[in-house]
Amino acid sequence: DQQVKQNSPSLSVQEGRISILNCDYTNSMFDYFLWYKKYPAEGPTFLISISSIKDKNEDGRFTVFLNKSAKHLSLHIVPSQPGDSAVYFCAASAGSLSGSARQLTFGSGTQLTVLP
Amino acid sequence: DSGVTQTPKHLITATGQRVTLRCSPRSGDLSVYWYQQSLDQGLQFLIQYYNGEERAKGNILERFSAQQFPDLHSELNLSSLELGDSALYFCASSVEPAGVRDTQYFGPGTRLTVL
Repeated sequence: DQQVKQNSPSLSVQEGRISILNCDYTNSMFDYFLWYKKYPAEGPTFLISISSIKDKNEDGRFTVFLNKSAKHLSLHIVPSQPGDSAVYFCAASAGSLSGSARQLTFGSGTQLTVLP
Repeated sequence: DSGVTQTPKHLITATGQRVTLRCSPRSGDLSVYWYQQSLDQGLQFLIQYYNGEERAKGNILERFSAQQFPDLHSELNLSSLELGDSALYFCASSVEPAGVRDTQYFGPGTRLTVL
């Protein structure tokens, strides 16, 4: 049972336009959400995060929106650049019952291609 | 460069064999996580260590084990390897095990191919 879902395996956008990557989750215990970017032959790189007490977090060209009632988050990249072409993973985090550990649950990723 | 190092980058072995993957966390990070990424799948959490102690277990097979040493580096041991164990194995590290804003930083991964 996938608790974090990225239903679009790929997305192509024109340079300069907006890229919108979507992510849905099912576990209501998740209280922290992250986006990672991954280039081929490299490990995932942290991009931006949002706590469940917020509905928006912005960092430069990247904005993450969280809709808790819909259990949905999205990553907006404006303007998109060719260097943004990568696989984007959505991840969610919940504290353990004992409070001693956190785990990240990842989606399957979306390949973003920004066309020049 | 995340500061997390993993060796080796590539590993090719045969079914039934045993391998050890190594990870050195970022300087100052006490927590180490191991993830497996199979073809066309997201990263699956395997296990977490904090300052030498196991903190959380995910979908880790009994044939797999891990440990974190006093110098904080970690090793993931995979034994009785099967074809389905072929995957990318990532190590990540973070400062604390349970902070809400505790970001995990990933190494470049080890690509394991079981023939």
